Amino acid sequence: QQQVKQSPQSLIVQKGGISIINCAYENTAFDYFPWYQQFPGKGPALLIAIRPDVSEKKEGRFTISFNKSAKQFSLHIMDSQPGDSATYFCAAPSSGGYQKVTFGTGTKLQVIP
Amino acid sequence: DAGITQSPRHKVTETGTPVTLRCHQTENHRYMYWYRQDPGHGLRLIHYSYGVKDTDKGEVSDGYSVSRSKTEDFLLTLESATSSQTSVYFCAISSSGTGAKETQYFGPGTRLLVL
Repeated sequence: QQQVKQSPQSLIVQKGGISIINCAYENTAFDYFPWYQQFPGKGPALLIAIRPDVSEKKEGRFTISFNKSAKQFSLHIMDSQPGDSATYFCAAPSSGGYQKVTFGTGTKLQVIP
Repeated sequence: DAGITQSPRHKVTETGTPVTLRCHQTENHRYMYWYRQDPGHGLRLIHYSYGVKDTDKGEVSDGYSVSRSKTEDFLLTLESATSSQTSVYFCAISSSGTGAKETQYFGPGTRLLVL
């Protein structure tokens, strides 16, 4: 079972600040690492994803940084806004096969004005 | 929610009773998944399906069974509900044979309370 360790569990950031969430994985064989965003009362939705042939991917204020040698990847939210307040999950393909995905335990982000 | 509905959305039941949750999709996606979400555990895979009548276990499958008789419907059954199965249950779908590389689209969730 592919383990994905996510930190921190919760995060409070002031508006305009940078939010950083980290994930570490075990199996180096996999090549797709998505981040999901979940608002209260809703299902998770894909936010951004990266393949390890690049070290960084940016979409608007959201950036994934990938460190293949350390088996770590991070989500950076620049200029954090109150509307970014949500729970964020990193994910990685499970070791049992490509049809399955293992999720991190989630980070609850609160952006305060 | 990408053409995914879950029913019921909320349910309260008693220990020992059977419960069936339904996931219905209108996207004709091949892969369907059931997850449970609990504080401190994130999303954990219960069962998934890779086609009609084709299912496999996830990491927390004990006490759960599934069935998929049609492409659009994936049922999750708790044969005899226990309080430890109190959770929020999410259905998800994906379209590719390499499903983990493609986006998983999640339903709105079912909140289950077992008394």
